[in-house]
Amino acid sequence: QVQLQESGPGLVKPSQTLSLTCTVSGDSISSGGSYWSWIRQRPGKGLEWIGYIYYTGNTYYNPSLESRVTLSVDTAKNQFSLKLIAVTDADTAMYYCARDRTRNWFDPWGQGTQVTVSS
Amino acid sequence: EIVLTQSPDFQSVTPKETVTITCRASQSIGSNLHWYQQKPDQSPNLLIKFASQSISGVPSKFSGSGSGTDFTLTIESLEAEDAATYYCHQSQRFPHTFGGGTKVEIK
Repeated sequence: QVQLQESGPGLVKPSQTLSLTCTVSGDSISSGGSYWSWIRQRPGKGLEWIGYIYYTGNTYYNPSLESRVTLSVDTAKNQFSLKLIAVTDADTAMYYCARDRTRNWFDPWGQGTQVTVSS
Repeated sequence: EIVLTQSPDFQSVTPKETVTITCRASQSIGSNLHWYQQKPDQSPNLLIKFASQSISGVPSKFSGSGSGTDFTLTIESLEAEDAATYYCHQSQRFPHTFGGGTKVEIK
């Protein structure tokens, strides 16, 4: 059974960098069978796709966040990570990682991690 | 980017009723439309892929149809455990986008 688990600080100060890691179990990132995505859900808002990364390091970012986002992958640890710089309170959200099958549907999702931007 | 508009935003139904949720795309997306269920305090769960393809482990009461710009998710014989918010998602064109969600309440 494939499982994803997000981890990282729950509180980030404005203008600082948000860093999250997703640990994958039950599937190997380096197998190349999937892409790996980050998605967020801001309070009272819908879902927003942030971007995906492939095991080779190839990435695609949502243009709305592209200037501030970096995704990276560590195949040895079977993890992928999100960095979002210069955060504001608009970046307060539940952040999910998800397996992105063939760059189509997301399944499964991690349980999510709440990140609050506040001084 | 492709905008997905779901309707209704909210629906309150009695048990055993059938619910139909619609998702309209701002441009044609073929069958590259997927549906998710998000229960309170849980992450989204894939229900239907490619507009109408069922997912292993998902009850057959959930079905999808449509292509191009108009899609529907139908939930038959609603039970209390189906209370959730349902989202559509398109993968036709980057960036991936989601509909605004339809909250289904069981009376």
